[in-house]
Amino acid sequence: ETGVTQTPRHLVMGMTNKKSLKCEQHLGHNAMYWYKQSAKKPLELMFVYSLEERVENNSVPSRFSPECPNSSHLFLHLHTLQPEDSALYLCASSQDVGGATGELFFGEGSRLTVL
Amino acid sequence: ILNVEQSPQSLHVQEGDSTNFTCSFPSSNFYALHWYRWETAKSPEALFVMTLNGDEKKKGRISATLNTKEGYSYLYIKGSQPEDSATYLCAFPDTGRRALTFGSGTRLQVQP
Repeated sequence: ETGVTQTPRHLVMGMTNKKSLKCEQHLGHNAMYWYKQSAKKPLELMFVYSLEERVENNSVPSRFSPECPNSSHLFLHLHTLQPEDSALYLCASSQDVGGATGELFFGEGSRLTVL
Repeated sequence: ILNVEQSPQSLHVQEGDSTNFTCSFPSSNFYALHWYRWETAKSPEALFVMTLNGDEKKKGRISATLNTKEGYSYLYIKGSQPEDSATYLCAFPDTGRRALTFGSGTRLQVQP
């Protein structure tokens, strides 16, 4: 496998469930990101990790909990979500953090529906 | 809060037409301007990363220009094809240079 892989591609969960989204990059990049795409809104940054250290938390509610155990893997743990959290969650990676020097590589996203 | 604005929001053209869209961004503290193409059910893919005022980049029938002094970039598609149908996003590194701030995108549909 190459590039950025996200699993699952689709997830339906109840408001009391706990689930996780997984992202894996095989590009040797140092930075990883979670973005959220809600209907009719631009891509919204959630979290940024650089060399496994969280460097940005964009005022995301605590019901979203990121984890970066190593530079190749990024998780988004979900618990007690609300229906308005239904969205497409995109993972991305880049060689260095920020996008000032290089492009982002995206996964295909995890489509989350909260009932 | 950075403001990255794209226009138009959507565009319908006929196969063979040439088209262009605009991205506006803050002209102060410029680092880079990114363009991405996002086809339905696929992942966004980088088209260009532009860093210098006056930069012009080209990939096949798609090209982009950059004016950092006035804070805009144009994306041009020459002779649009149905496979060009996608949402085109521009993005700008945020103030802390930790991530990209994205515009809302221009959704292009090319009719055969």
